[in-house]
Amino acid sequence: AQSVTQPDIHITVSEGASLELRCNYSYGATPYLFWYVQSPGQGLQLLLKYFSGDTLVQGIKGFEAEFKRSQSSFNLRKPSVHWSDAAEYFCAVGGNTNAGKSTFGDGTTLTVKP
Amino acid sequence: EAGVAQSPRYKIIEKRQSVAFWCNPISGHATLYWYQQILGQGPKLLIQFQNNGVVDDSQLPKDRFSAERLKGVDSTLKIQPAKLEDSAVYLCASSSSGTSNEKLFFGSGTQLSVL
Repeated sequence: AQSVTQPDIHITVSEGASLELRCNYSYGATPYLFWYVQSPGQGLQLLLKYFSGDTLVQGIKGFEAEFKRSQSSFNLRKPSVHWSDAAEYFCAVGGNTNAGKSTFGDGTTLTVKP
Repeated sequence: EAGVAQSPRYKIIEKRQSVAFWCNPISGHATLYWYQQILGQGPKLLIQFQNNGVVDDSQLPKDRFSAERLKGVDSTLKIQPAKLEDSAVYLCASSSSGTSNEKLFFGSGTQLSVL
């Protein structure tokens, strides 16, 4: 069975500081990996996805993520956080069926201090 | 383009009552999903439609939940009777093809409180 663990429930960073959100997955084959962002009262928006190829993936809003097979991780990073990045972030893992059947982690809430 | 529309935005009911949620996907999107998102958790898939047919409803509690997409466009999700543990945000998402590398578009959800 596939699963996702986001070890950090809540992270606080100062505006302008760098950010790394952790994601560990369990999947029996080559995973399809996703990061979504959910602002209060909004649906989820896809930040980036990894299917194959280059293990460093670039996404929208200046985010990137690195797939590390040996560590079963897909951590999300941003070099300089903006106040508008405050939101909840979800990592998801799926296979070669469809993205809608992905298993989501329980999310990490990001607070940005001025 | 217009996004995924959901209504109502909020709903408060008492246990054992019934409730219905509506979703209108992005025009032309064949695949529609309903998710349940309990506070503090990620979304969990309830049901997937491809056009007007059900592809996967294995996680739908069929004793109380039902969903339909009769004309392959908009969809309704119903709970009857509701239980306290049904309190959650119900998200609808759509995609053009239902494939592994598709992009999902989510609505803002319906927040249900069961008292």
